Amino acid sequence: SYVLTQSPSVSVTPGMTASITCGADNIGRKAVHWYQQKAGQAPLLVLFYDTDRPSGIPERFSGSNSGNTATLTISRVVAGDEADYYCQVWDSSSGQWMFGGGTKLTVL
Amino acid sequence: ETQLLESGGGLVQPGGSLRLSCAASGFIFRNFAMTWVRQAPGKGLEWLSTLSDTGSSTYYADSVKGRFTISRDILTNTLFLEMKSLRVDDTALYYCAKAGGEGFSDGFMYFASWGQGTLVTVSS
Repeated sequence: SYVLTQSPSVSVTPGMTASITCGADNIGRKAVHWYQQKAGQAPLLVLFYDTDRPSGIPERFSGSNSGNTATLTISRVVAGDEADYYCQVWDSSSGQWMFGGGTKLTVL
Repeated sequence: ETQLLESGGGLVQPGGSLRLSCAASGFIFRNFAMTWVRQAPGKGLEWLSTLSDTGSSTYYADSVKGRFTISRDILTNTLFLEMKSLRVDDTALYYCAKAGGEGFSDGFMYFASWGQGTLVTVSS
C-alpha cells in the first residue's frame, strides 16, 4: 500500500518558519491535502490541492509538492499553531484514501 | 454553515455490533460524498469508508472491509456506519466528514468539514 511518511515532531520558536514534510513515492503526481488538529478538537482542513487555502486559513499557511515530498510551510509561527498536522492523498492502486502518521508541531 | 453531528457511539463487547449516525445540515446532503474517519486513543487519523455523492459507490479500508457498511438516508440527511464483528482495536473516536466540493472525484477528494466525533469503546 501507499505509505505517507511524516516526521513525528517539529519544534519552532514563535515568529520563525515551520516546515512539515510528507514523503512518499512520486507524491508530486498526487493532490495532497493537509489537516490541523489541535488537542481535543476535530481535524481542520488547512490546505487542499497542494497549495490552496480554505477561507479563514491565514496566508501564513502555504504548501508545495514535488518529486517525493510534499511540504506544509507555516510562516511567522504563533503559539496557536501548535497542533498535530496530517497529510492526505488518494491511493489509486488500492482505491483508498491515506493519511500520513502526523507531525506534532511544538511552539517553543 | 455545514454542521455534522455524530452519535451512536458507546461501549460494546468484542464481536458485537454498533450503528453510528451523522446528522448533516447546512448543505445539500445528496450532492456531496461523505466519509468516516477514526482516531484511536493517542494515534493518528485513519480513513475508513467513503460514500460517493450519488450513493452508488462505496469504498472501504482493508481494516474494516466486510465488517463495516456505509450508507445514507437522503430524506433525513443522515450518514450511517454499520459496524459488526467489532474488535478491541476498533476502539476509537469516529468522525464523519464532508467532501470539499459537490460531485465526486476520487483522486482529488479532501475532507472539508468534520464533526466532533463519537467514541466507540470495544471491551469486555
